[in-house]
Amino acid sequence: EVQVVESGGGLVQPGGSLRLSCAVSGFSFGSHWMSWVRQAPGKGLEWVASIKQDGSSKYYVDSVEGRFTISRDNAKNSVYLQMNSLRAEDTAVYYCATLLRHFWRLEYWGQGTLVTVSS
Amino acid sequence: DIQLTQSPSFLSASVGDRVTITCRASQGISSYLAWFQHPSGKAPKLLIYGASNLQTGVPSRFSGSGSGTEFTLTISSLQPEDFATYYCQQVNNYPFTFGPGTKVDI
Repeated sequence: EVQVVESGGGLVQPGGSLRLSCAVSGFSFGSHWMSWVRQAPGKGLEWVASIKQDGSSKYYVDSVEGRFTISRDNAKNSVYLQMNSLRAEDTAVYYCATLLRHFWRLEYWGQGTLVTVSS
Repeated sequence: DIQLTQSPSFLSASVGDRVTITCRASQGISSYLAWFQHPSGKAPKLLIYGASNLQTGVPSRFSGSGSGTEFTLTISSLQPEDFATYYCQQVNNYPFTFGPGTKVDI
C-alpha cells in the first residue's frame, strides 16, 4: 500500500521560513516525479511545484517562484518544500502527491499539512 | 497560463441522480485533463486522467469525455459517498492549473 505523509506545517510570521517534508512508502519513489499542491482556506486546489525523478527539472507556480524550493532525497524516499519570505496568502493546507509521467497523473496524495502565516 | 472554468459551481442533487459537470479550457489541451474528487477535510482523489481514462479502483459510475477545450465528468448514479467538491486539472502545460471546483451537495 502506498503511503504519503506530510509534516512540518505550523504557524509562522510573515517573512518567515518553513520547510515541509513528505515521506513516501510502498512505492518506487525514485522512479517518479513528485508534486506539491495547496488549498487556501475556502479556496480551491492550486498546483505549487513539481520535481523530476533525479531533481534535474523543477517547475513552480508564478506566485511562489523565487521564494519556494522543491527538492528530494531518493535515499530517504522524501520530497521537501522550502518556503521562504512567507506571506499571508501562503496560508493553506499543503498536499504532497506522486506524479506519474503517463498523462501527468497526481496519483497518490497525503492528508496534507497546514501552514498558517500570521503575526 | 491556461485557465479552466467549471460549471456549475454548485450542484444540489439526490442519491441516484445522474450528474454532469463541465470544464472548459482557455486554449486547446488535447486530452491532457484530469478530474479529482475532494471530500471536505480529506485528501483529493484522482478519478479520471487523459480526459476519459478511469483511474484504477474508481467505480465505473464515473466517466469522462471531451478533448480540446471542452470536457465533462459524469456520475451515472450519485451515491452518498460522492458528495464532495470536484476539480478538473489541465496537465498540458506548466503551470498545471486546476478549475475553481464544483461542489456537489444534497
